[in-house]
Amino acid sequence: AQKVTQAQTEISVVEKEDVTLDCVYETRDTTYYLFWYKQPPSGELVFLIRRNSFDEQNEISGRYSWNFQKSTSSFNFTITASQVVDSAVYFCALSESPSGAGSYQLTFGKGTKLSVIP
Amino acid sequence: DTGVSQNPRHKITKRGQNVTFRCDPISEHNRLYWYRQTLGQGPEFLTYFQNEAQLEKSRLLSDRFSAERPKGSFSTLEIQRTEQGDSAMYLCASSLGTQAGMGQPQHFGDGTRLSIL
Repeated sequence: AQKVTQAQTEISVVEKEDVTLDCVYETRDTTYYLFWYKQPPSGELVFLIRRNSFDEQNEISGRYSWNFQKSTSSFNFTITASQVVDSAVYFCALSESPSGAGSYQLTFGKGTKLSVIP
Repeated sequence: DTGVSQNPRHKITKRGQNVTFRCDPISEHNRLYWYRQTLGQGPEFLTYFQNEAQLEKSRLLSDRFSAERPKGSFSTLEIQRTEQGDSAMYLCASSLGTQAGMGQPQHFGDGTRLSIL
């Protein structure tokens, strides 16, 4: 069965500090996708990034960067120079290869609540 | 606004009543998903449609839960005989259906928060 673990329940940082959110996953499939979503206090889940299991290149988008390591089944997310607007709950999610008419449903971790203090 | 739309935003009802939620996906998306999110947890998958076909419903929480997508556009989620434990946020998401379907990001609505008195 697939599983996503976000061991950090809550993190607080002071504005402009860098912060890394950890994500570890379990899957028996060789083909899968990993995602990060942001859920601000308003509640809507916002898609941030996806990574497929065959692409281990790290990615940078502005202040955000992602480190995918298949050897450790991890897909960590770093925010550089954090800002108050980054305060939210961040979810890591896994989508596996379907069997038959598979649904591509996402399996989410429990989320990490990030608070950026001014 | 061309995002996923859900209504109502909030629903308060007494235990034992039936409730129905509606989801309007992004217009070009043929896949539609329902999730449930309880406090302090990540969303939990419930069911999935490709066009009007419900292709996965084994994860619905009980036979009190049902979902429809009659014309392959909007969808409804119904909970019959509500119980206290049904209190949660119910989220709808949609995505494009392609051969790389599992890699298509799901776009979520704001959710419907259900409170059972």
